[in-house]
Amino acid sequence: NAGVTQTPKFRVLKTGQSMTLLCAQDMNHEYMYWYRQDPGMGLRLIHYSVGEGTTAKGEVPDGYNVSRLKKQNFLLGLESAAPSQTSVYFCASSDALAGTSYEQYFGPGTRLTVT
Amino acid sequence: AQKVTQAQTEISVVEKEDVTLDCVYETRDTTYYLFWYKQPPSGELVFLIRRNSFDEQNEISGRYSWNFQKSTSSFNFTITASQVVDSAVYFCALSESGTYKYIFGTGTRLKVLA
Repeated sequence: NAGVTQTPKFRVLKTGQSMTLLCAQDMNHEYMYWYRQDPGMGLRLIHYSVGEGTTAKGEVPDGYNVSRLKKQNFLLGLESAAPSQTSVYFCASSDALAGTSYEQYFGPGTRLTVT
Repeated sequence: AQKVTQAQTEISVVEKEDVTLDCVYETRDTTYYLFWYKQPPSGELVFLIRRNSFDEQNEISGRYSWNFQKSTSSFNFTITASQVVDSAVYFCALSESGTYKYIFGTGTRLKVLA
């Protein structure tokens, strides 16, 4: 049981390049999330998904796109990377029940540097 | 609107001291959930506790205890007899029922000195 895994762990991009971060979970969770963590700012929600084929914008969605084609995978894309997107990215998943919020399980993070 | 405030940016204590990390939240909902997570220097985020708004009982787990007070909108976390391994950044989070979203505080960095 691997929990939540993220690929890659580290990446360096040049401004304007694109990339996709992959998140996979094996807990059969309905909800999945992408956050970014910047010094002094805690975790900020980029996008989230409440089920296969659904996505929604979070607090800081600009410059990112997501897709959830399979329940276990949640992809985060950067179409044209900018230095402001230098951050640590965390994927998370959680169980689902109407009206209830469960704890989130986090991946190990991806450290992205955009030069 | 939801908001979580962790006013203590960084706390340093000497080993074996007790320490309390403060968390103040804002919500207009009557049903909500509060969480604490630990982020050790290795970087992963570890779930510590989940509490719903209808359960105001304090909770103790080993050296960890949590004090939930709706009257002051606070959910404080106390570590008793701190140890060096407690050194980490601790995050408090809030989720309103049915919103699917979680709002995190900015975290408190705890340094426990030997």
